[in-house]
Amino acid sequence: AQSVAQPEDQVNVAEGNPLTVKCTYSVSGNPYLFWYVQYPNRGLQFLLKYITGDNLVKGSYGFEAEFNKSQTSFHLKKPSALVSDSALYFCAVRVLSGYSTLTFGKGTMLLVSP
Amino acid sequence: ETGVTQTPRHLVMGMTNKKSLKCEQHLGHNAMYWYKQSAKKPLELMFVYSLEERVENNSVPSRFSPECPNSSHLFLHLHTLQPEDSALYLCASSLSGTSGYEQYFGPGTRLTVT
Repeated sequence: AQSVAQPEDQVNVAEGNPLTVKCTYSVSGNPYLFWYVQYPNRGLQFLLKYITGDNLVKGSYGFEAEFNKSQTSFHLKKPSALVSDSALYFCAVRVLSGYSTLTFGKGTMLLVSP
Repeated sequence: ETGVTQTPRHLVMGMTNKKSLKCEQHLGHNAMYWYKQSAKKPLELMFVYSLEERVENNSVPSRFSPECPNSSHLFLHLHTLQPEDSALYLCASSLSGTSGYEQYFGPGTRLTVT
């Protein structure tokens, strides 16, 4: 069964510092991986995805993610954090079926301090 | 905005009431989803509709009844709910059969059952 794990409930980082939000996955076959962000009282917003190709994927708002097959990881990164990046981040993997069902991690709260 | 709208944004209902949540997508997608998001719990997939046919029902109690009259609209009919059903209900849509598979979410309906 496809699954993702986000080992950290919360990540704290100072504004201007690089940030990393961790995600590991377990799939049979090639993974389709996604990152979403959720701001307070809002729905989830799509940030980026990895399907195939370059291991470094660039997405919205300056975020990027690095796919590492040997470590089965798909960590979300940003070179310089902003206070406005504070939000809940979800990693997701596509379930292998005929439909676009995704399985989400439990989420990691990112807090960026001024 | 993502092109997925949900109404109402907030709903307070008693345990004996009947109400409906509405979702509409303007993205030309052919699959729609209902999720439940509770505090301290992972995102729970409730229902999946593909081409207006229900293709997945993750053991959701019968007091939740989905309806998908066409590919742009999705409803969740609620009756005799319990206080533990209080949560954020998220609608999402996607375009199945492509390499994308990412889902686009609405802002959610915050449901409180009293």
